[in-house]
Amino acid sequence: AQTVTQSQPEMSVQEAETVTLSCTYDTSESDYYLFWYKQPPSRQMILVIRQEAYKQQNATENRFSVNFQKAAKSFSLKISDSQLGDAAMYFCAYTGTASKLTFGTGTRLQVTL
Amino acid sequence: DVKVTQSSRYLVKRTGEKVFLECVQDMDHENMFWYRQDPGLGLRLIYFSYDVKMKEKGDIPEGYSVSREKKERFSLILESASTNQTSMYLCASGLGVTNEKLFFGSGTQLSVL
Repeated sequence: AQTVTQSQPEMSVQEAETVTLSCTYDTSESDYYLFWYKQPPSRQMILVIRQEAYKQQNATENRFSVNFQKAAKSFSLKISDSQLGDAAMYFCAYTGTASKLTFGTGTRLQVTL
Repeated sequence: DVKVTQSSRYLVKRTGEKVFLECVQDMDHENMFWYRQDPGLGLRLIYFSYDVKMKEKGDIPEGYSVSREKKERFSLILESASTNQTSMYLCASGLGVTNEKLFFGSGTQLSVL
């Protein structure tokens, strides 16, 4: 079974600085997708970024980018120029041929002035 | 605008009650999911469905059942609610074999007293 591990329960970053959230996963599949979801206090899950495993190029979405290391099974999220609105729970997730999303335990990000 | 609607934002029930959590999506998605979210545990999959009248157990199905009589509606049933089922419940729907695009409802916080 696939597992997703987020080893940082909480992180803190100053406004305008850069922060990296870590995620590792375990799978025997070669074709899969990885995701970062954001959950603000409103509880609405928002897709931040998605990476297809067959693509070597790291995905980017504005201030959000990933460092995808397939051999190491690592998928970290970098948030540049952090803003107060980035404060939220961040979940790393995996989906493969079983077609169900497996989530990590989450990282709570605080953004300070 | 795509929508996944969960019928209640907050729910308080008594131990032993039968509880129905309803989820409706307006995107004609085949795939629908029920997760529960607990602090420190992330999101865990309870049940999912790929088609009408079809269901599959997720990682923690014990104490739950589901119903999918129509494509747009996926109900989670707690046959006899217990205090350890106090949690946040999230519904999601998606398209495609790998559900690379998943849409979430805003969650139901269930308290069982």
